[in-house]
Amino acid sequence: DGGITQSPKYLFRKEGQNVTLSCEQNLNHDAMYWYRQDPGQGLRLIYYSQIVNDFQKGDIAEGYSVSREKKESFPLTVTSAQKNPTAFYLCASGDRGWRVAGNTIYFGEGSWLTVV
Amino acid sequence: KNEVEQSPQNLTAQEGEFITINCSYSVGISALHWLQQHPGGGIVSLFMLSSGKKKHGRLIATINIQEKHSSLHITASHPRDSAVYICAVRYSGGSNYKLTFGKGTLLTVNP
Repeated sequence: DGGITQSPKYLFRKEGQNVTLSCEQNLNHDAMYWYRQDPGQGLRLIYYSQIVNDFQKGDIAEGYSVSREKKESFPLTVTSAQKNPTAFYLCASGDRGWRVAGNTIYFGEGSWLTVV
Repeated sequence: KNEVEQSPQNLTAQEGEFITINCSYSVGISALHWLQQHPGGGIVSLFMLSSGKKKHGRLIATINIQEKHSSLHITASHPRDSAVYICAVRYSGGSNYKLTFGKGTLLTVNP
């Protein structure tokens, strides 16, 4: 079945270490997104990519990095520069739809990152 | 600042009750999404609206563009409907890729 797969589901990281969260989709979507969710807050956009080899910073990109070498993959690296990395991270994808008012967005199951 | 406000923040209902969750936004939009987040964290898209009304099973979503308001209704609620319901909008004139999310409404349906 088509969908988005995030891994790992749970991850513990020591302070000062980088960690990479995986996001893979087989929906043939051009656009992919990374969001962060904190208790009591709405989802916030970290990075997004509209097409392979291109990505843009979202609202809270500091301390994060991404790559988009393949259409189906959009990994997120949480670097040691991210001051408060403990959070729930969600990956999403959707059609590119430049001239379409809106497109359905698909989410992965999320990854819980805890810094210890 | 473009914001999305949801109400109520928390809602407890008895099985079988009719439920309404509200979403209001501040400026013109091109689309509005209703999402459902289960306790495990995964999010499922329920509806995407740009006008009018959509229905899927016991779920109904409406939007009033002039009033900048949308509602999600659940008829004959069931404990399995317990989840966080999130409203998200895509604002007109901005990036067609950015969604602004509400903080969510935690729904608990008791048997």
